[in-house]
Amino acid sequence: EDKVVQSPLSLVVHEGDTVTLNCSYEVTNFRSLLWYKQEKKAPTFLFMLTSSGIEKKSGRLSSILDKKELFSILNITATQTGDSAVYLCAVVANAGKSTFGDGTTLTVKP
Amino acid sequence: GAVVSQHPSRVICKSGTSVKIECRSLDFQATTMFWYRQFPKQSLMLMATSNEGSKATYEQGVEKDKFLINHASLTLSTLTVTSAHPEDSSFYICSAGPGGSRGNQPQHFGDGTRLSIL
Repeated sequence: EDKVVQSPLSLVVHEGDTVTLNCSYEVTNFRSLLWYKQEKKAPTFLFMLTSSGIEKKSGRLSSILDKKELFSILNITATQTGDSAVYLCAVVANAGKSTFGDGTTLTVKP
Repeated sequence: GAVVSQHPSRVICKSGTSVKIECRSLDFQATTMFWYRQFPKQSLMLMATSNEGSKATYEQGVEKDKFLINHASLTLSTLTVTSAHPEDSSFYICSAGPGGSRGNQPQHFGDGTRLSIL
């Protein structure tokens, strides 16, 4: 059975801090790993990772994948209150099916 | 960019009612769409894979007669919760992507439907 484990489950930081969110996985026939941000409604796409060691960046957010260790991290630098959300990691395997982790709830205090 | 529209966003109805939720891909054709369910403070749980022109593929433990899926066109999939009961109250989300089931492009999510059964 495919499995995705995220840690920590929740995190409280202050504005300006840097955070690292973790995602480990065990899946058969890995295709890609995705990071999403979920606020009040449905998740919004952040990154898609398919190759090891290639960092993807978007502003203060960055992510990288290690396919040997079956692990990915999502970094957020200089956090802002607007970064408060649930961050979801999903792994896509056969037939495009996504398995989601339980998410990391990030709270950024002013 | 790719957009997925889901409707309605909120449903409140009495026990025993059947509720239909629509998921549309607005600027791409989607041969495959996915339906998820999310309970409060929990992650997304895949319910079924909707396949255009053929039967949906349901995940283990999901009742196919309870959650009817129809994918009659390349841009529309519907999920009907039949004879809904309070335990069916949840947040239902669909997703679709231009890459279909190949997994080489990200899925985009609809805004979700919050279903409350009284």
